[in-house]
Amino acid sequence: DTGVSQDPRHKITKRGQNVTFRCDPISEHNRLYWYRQTLGQGPEFLTYFQNEAQLEKSRLLSDRFSAERPKGSFSTLEIQRTEQGDSAMYLCASSPRGAVGGGRGDTQYFGPGTRLTVL
Amino acid sequence: AQSVTQPDIHITVSEGASLELRCNYSYGATPYLFWYVQSPGQGLQLLLKYFSGDTLVQGIKGFEAEFKRSQSSFNLRKPSVHWSDAAEYFCAVRGASGGSYIPTFGRGTSLIVHP
Repeated sequence: DTGVSQDPRHKITKRGQNVTFRCDPISEHNRLYWYRQTLGQGPEFLTYFQNEAQLEKSRLLSDRFSAERPKGSFSTLEIQRTEQGDSAMYLCASSPRGAVGGGRGDTQYFGPGTRLTVL
Repeated sequence: AQSVTQPDIHITVSEGASLELRCNYSYGATPYLFWYVQSPGQGLQLLLKYFSGDTLVQGIKGFEAEFKRSQSSFNLRKPSVHWSDAAEYFCAVRGASGGSYIPTFGRGTSLIVHP
């Protein structure tokens, strides 16, 4: 178990450029989540996958954001035409499939995050 | 809708002193409750969680939390703080049955430890 990894750890881009982040979950985990965290705030949910299916999206996820998990393993989060308001830490988490009503499936393991700065 | 309030933005304690971080939640049914810790530039690490049963929950690093349904609270405690405990602490809530697996996080409490 090598933990959740994210790449890159830091990204600086100019306004209007596109950026893509990658998340590699813990290998046996079938659920994968993306969050955004701004300074002084807790993580805010963006989207959630179970295997390759994107099951839930937040209203925070504007049309400029897209996420994929094509083979049910790693996931990518793309932001098109970045804006300064997109500057934040983007966190990925994964969790195993758990029993109904709780247990291991409800424990999310977080990666170190990708810090995005839009100039 | 579920929500979490962490009323203290910053808490300062001396090393060796006891600690209590407050968390109040709002949820219409039985909640699942979590405490996470985040060191600077890092992701979140789960300290402990409450699903059911004993309302006093033990976690890692000597932390514990107590679920009080009547007060809608899930406060985090540690009897003796170490300098390495300085970090950001987040409380989170999600529903216990059906629906989304997505927790709602509080805005966090920053713990400062003085030597």
